[in-house]
Order: sequence, then structure tokens, then C-alpha cells
Amino acid sequence: SSELTQDPTVSVALGQTVRIPCQGDSLRSFYASWYQQKPGQAPVLVIYGNNNRPSGIPDRFSGSSSGNTASLTITGAQAEDEADYYCNSRGNSGNHVIFGGGTKLTVL
Amino acid sequence: VDLVESGGGLVQPGRSLRLSCAASGFTFDDHAMHWIRQVPGKGLEWVSFISWNSGTLAYADSVKGRFTISRDNAKNSLYLHMNSLRAEDTALYYCARDRGSRSVTVNVFDNWGQGTLVSVSS
Repeated sequence: SSELTQDPTVSVALGQTVRIPCQGDSLRSFYASWYQQKPGQAPVLVIYGNNNRPSGIPDRFSGSSSGNTASLTITGAQAEDEADYYCNSRGNSGNHVIFGGGTKLTVL
Repeated sequence: VDLVESGGGLVQPGRSLRLSCAASGFTFDDHAMHWIRQVPGKGLEWVSFISWNSGTLAYADSVKGRFTISRDNAKNSLYLHMNSLRAEDTALYYCARDRGSRSVTVNVFDNWGQGTLVSVSS
């Protein structure tokens, strides 16, 4: 199916490591990208392709993939990382694109 | 890179609206472009894609047959023509740049506008 599944909420203690998973059949064929969205702001690309970070994104953000699951990992989470995180990939049909439902990350 | 959407507003069901996205700070015709929408408080939904030369278009099933994407490379502008609007089309509409190049579309959105709000209600 052309769907990406994310856990709705995840929490992490300040300074600890958190992994945010994204599952879907399309991830067996296509890389996931990850976006961070803070309240009232547009999404920001944080990870794309084979664990690539755009300039300006801290190196505590990393991506990985195995089978039908892609993961965003934040190593040493900071208070400013509290946000919604969305994964996306190409769908299995044509030029369609699909998004996961998003994960709300709380930094405790 | 700057993307500025406009054209949103309140519209009655069944009516039409045209959104625009003005691009600057990069070579517009080097990139495919996308429209993505978000119902306030909800998740992101990809809406439509257009290749750099308008040769390839794609639409989400939810808007296919009602929405038309287009671009004017001479004006560095992207458009979304929305017909037969429904209440479920109410959302913040973002334009986003594809990170790829003319030769490859990667469906990675490396720059986003701030969005324009469309409200469909009688």
C-alpha cells in the first residue's frame, strides 16, 4: 500500500537519544526524507537520501533505513528539538509522494 | 531562496480559486516544484507536482480532475488552479522546491514557503 506509518507521540529526556520510526512498503524501494515542523512555522528538511543533512542542520540528526522502516535519530536531544516530525517518500505509483502522519516529539 | 504563496481566502463550496507562488533566490527552471497542504492541527498532504519544463505533472487522488498545477518560468512563478472546491480542501497550502535537478526529481522538499490559507465554507 502507499502509506507511511508513524507513532503519533514520542518523548525523550533532555540530552538522551531518541529514534523516530516510519514504516511503509515504499521504503523498500525509496529513501525517506524527514521534516521538522515547529508550531506556526513551515516544515524544514532535516534528513534526506542516504543519511544526508542539509547545511545548517545539526549533526545530532541522523537517518537510517532497514527493510520497510526508516528512522530519524536525534543523539543528545535538545529542548529546541521539540517539534512535529514527518517522513515522506515517493509512493509506489507514478510520481506520487506520500507523507507519514507525523510524530510529536516532546523533550522532557 | 524565497517562496511566497498568495491567493488564499474564503470561498464557497463549488467555486474556484487560483494560488500563486513567487520564487526568488535560485534558478527557478532548474527545479521541479510541488504543492503540499496541511489542515490546521493535522498532518502534511502532498497535492501536486510539476517538472521543470511542465512536461510531467502529478496529482493526489483527492484533487485529481479538480486541481491543475502550472508554472511560468519567465515569471518565476508556480500556480495551483483549484476548481469545484470542497470543505475538505480547507487547509494551508505550501509551495515547495524539489531538491533535485532538471534531470532527476527526488521528491525531497528543501525549501518551503510560509503557506496561504484556503477556507472553503458557505
